[in-house]
Amino acid sequence: ETGVTQTPRHLVMGMTNKKSLKCEQHLGHNAMYWYKQSAKKPLELMFVYSLEERVENNSVPSRFSPECPNSSHLFLHLHTLQPEDSALYLCASSQDLLSGGSTDTQYFGPGTRLTVL
Amino acid sequence: GQQVMQIPQYQHVQEGEDFTTYCNSSTTLSNIQWYKQRPGGHPVFLIQLVKSGEVKKQKRLTFQFGEAKKNSSLHITATQTTDVGTYFCLINDYKLSFGAGTTVTVRA
Repeated sequence: ETGVTQTPRHLVMGMTNKKSLKCEQHLGHNAMYWYKQSAKKPLELMFVYSLEERVENNSVPSRFSPECPNSSHLFLHLHTLQPEDSALYLCASSQDLLSGGSTDTQYFGPGTRLTVL
Repeated sequence: GQQVMQIPQYQHVQEGEDFTTYCNSSTTLSNIQWYKQRPGGHPVFLIQLVKSGEVKKQKRLTFQFGEAKKNSSLHITATQTTDVGTYFCLINDYKLSFGAGTTVTVRA
């Protein structure tokens, strides 16, 4: 599946580094999402964008900064991360925003495996 | 906030046996979706249930939505090694919420 791509696939960074994760969807969708998946924890929704506007921010620390320059691209800028931020970061998209009992479905990218040293 | 509880967290199954995973909500749901994540992979959409009492089948997988639309189940018959992975349910009435997932391992 190449509908949603993420780069890089793996990233190792120190706590003082600044890096960015990139997500691109080729499906013509209007909504994009960032999730964090840690070992033995449910998928945690971080940010939601609909038509390039942020519609949800789930109490995510400010060291994570999302950016959605257009409906096809989503970035997650990282700075001064902590070791507990090590996780799989998944991007997803859907045709329209999933809320209010929407029957739309999400398409996930392969994820970026992040390790913070 | 709205949450969905998923059980069991782990399911270790003998190849050829059946098993079921459940998702339960305290509130009535508009719909529920199921996703599967293979080891090292990403979640992939399996199915969506919308109607009360709805039952849908995909080969050896049977998905059911409760009559009260508060719970759902995924039943797999004659488990195969290809069924290995984590199965998640997703609800979105008020806020997107994934269940914790049931991680399935299969012994040959």
